[in-house]
Amino acid sequence: GAVVSQHPSRVICKSGTSVKIECRSLDFQATTMFWYRQFPKKSLMLMATSNEGSKATYEQGVEKDKFLINHASLTLSTLTVTSAHPEDSSFYICSATGNPGTEAFFGQGTRLTVV
Amino acid sequence: GENVEQHPSTLSVQEGDSAVIKCTYSDSASNYFPWYKQELGKRPQLIIDIRSNVGEKKDQRIAVTLNKTAKHFSLHITETQPEDSAVYFCAASSSASKIIFGSGTRLSIRP
Repeated sequence: GAVVSQHPSRVICKSGTSVKIECRSLDFQATTMFWYRQFPKKSLMLMATSNEGSKATYEQGVEKDKFLINHASLTLSTLTVTSAHPEDSSFYICSATGNPGTEAFFGQGTRLTVV
Repeated sequence: GENVEQHPSTLSVQEGDSAVIKCTYSDSASNYFPWYKQELGKRPQLIIDIRSNVGEKKDQRIAVTLNKTAKHFSLHITETQPEDSAVYFCAASSSASKIIFGSGTRLSIRP
């Protein structure tokens, strides 16, 4: 299957700082990328959907000013957690699809710890 | 928007027996239903998917059924093996929309 690379895999940051997570599709053009948050032993909670060249669509309850998403090219989307707090600590994972309604491929995820 | 419910949340079966996981969805426009397997510490991997123009699809020990009228779809794993132990997620998507996941089922295979 297609390859989606997410970086970094782990990050520890201080409370109040910002962290950027990158999601790249390595061998296909991702028209749509999804950002999920996963709590321990829980499901994948969709945070936002981003389409290349347009603003991301955020799910209800997700603060768009706190979780900045940029999808500047067909192979790269970034999620920036601004002014991080300990409650933002979680596993963040992206997925990408070439066409809506088709298989989405997942990145390896980023474990964020805010201290 | 779409809402996907998944049952059971945990499932333990004897090795060699079958396992069944069921999901329901709310949006009648959904037409793509993938199933993902997530092993501990790893990313979800697609194991099988089905589209709304078919009612059943099989791939070796794994099969998925879809009832569009009832908005139900199910995953069936036969002759379960230890390596089938993982968390399984169902999902639903329309051709113009995002992929919404169910809450997950933690499957354990007893030796």
